[in-house]
Amino acid sequence: NAGVMQNPRHLVRRRGQEARLRCSPMKGHSHVYWYRQLPEEGLKFMVYLQKENIIDESGMPKERFSAEFPKEGPSILRIQQVVRGDSAAYFCASSPLEGLHTEAFFGQGTRLTVV
Amino acid sequence: AQSVTQLDSQVPVFEEAPVELRCNYSSSVSVYLFWYVQYPNQGLQLLLKYLSGSTLVESINGFEAEFNKSQTSFHLRKPSVHISDTAEYFCAVSDWENSGGSNYKLTFGKGTLLTVNP
Repeated sequence: NAGVMQNPRHLVRRRGQEARLRCSPMKGHSHVYWYRQLPEEGLKFMVYLQKENIIDESGMPKERFSAEFPKEGPSILRIQQVVRGDSAAYFCASSPLEGLHTEAFFGQGTRLTVV
Repeated sequence: AQSVTQLDSQVPVFEEAPVELRCNYSSSVSVYLFWYVQYPNQGLQLLLKYLSGSTLVESINGFEAEFNKSQTSFHLRKPSVHISDTAEYFCAVSDWENSGGSNYKLTFGKGTLLTVNP
């Protein structure tokens, strides 16, 4: 059973371009979470999705950022018109259920660099 | 709002020495506490967690952490480290009551890089 797969591992974008980050959850997991780690900071929650639904997006910046988890295929975190401040490591996690006793498994992250 | 403070960004130790990685949190409500480990070029893995019950929790590879409510701490310890323990360690807290009973909205510390030297 493969772990949470994120791609690409490294992504370089020029200012103003779009960045698309992909996350394939573990087999059988229907809950996906995205976190962002800015330089010299801890991971911060961005958004929680279930298949075709956004459950909690309280950590998402109000503009330029969007996330989806379609019925088929990976979850996508999209950043439009990237700026230098978007440079960070973006981690995806998945779990089979929601709740206290459910462990979330994390991917290796995508390191976005905006030049 | 919650916050997690990991006081040491880097901790170098020699093999077989004891180690303590410190973690303090601030929250006005009941919390649940986690330690994650990230080995080089890998994703974060759950090391151990405190949800309720005994304040001392252990992992399968010899680490332990003790929840101290009065000091709002959840320090991670190992009596004798191995070179393979070299990794970054993250402390995290979940505000269960304000997350609707779920633990997905974790707040992480900045991490502590543990380097074990021969």
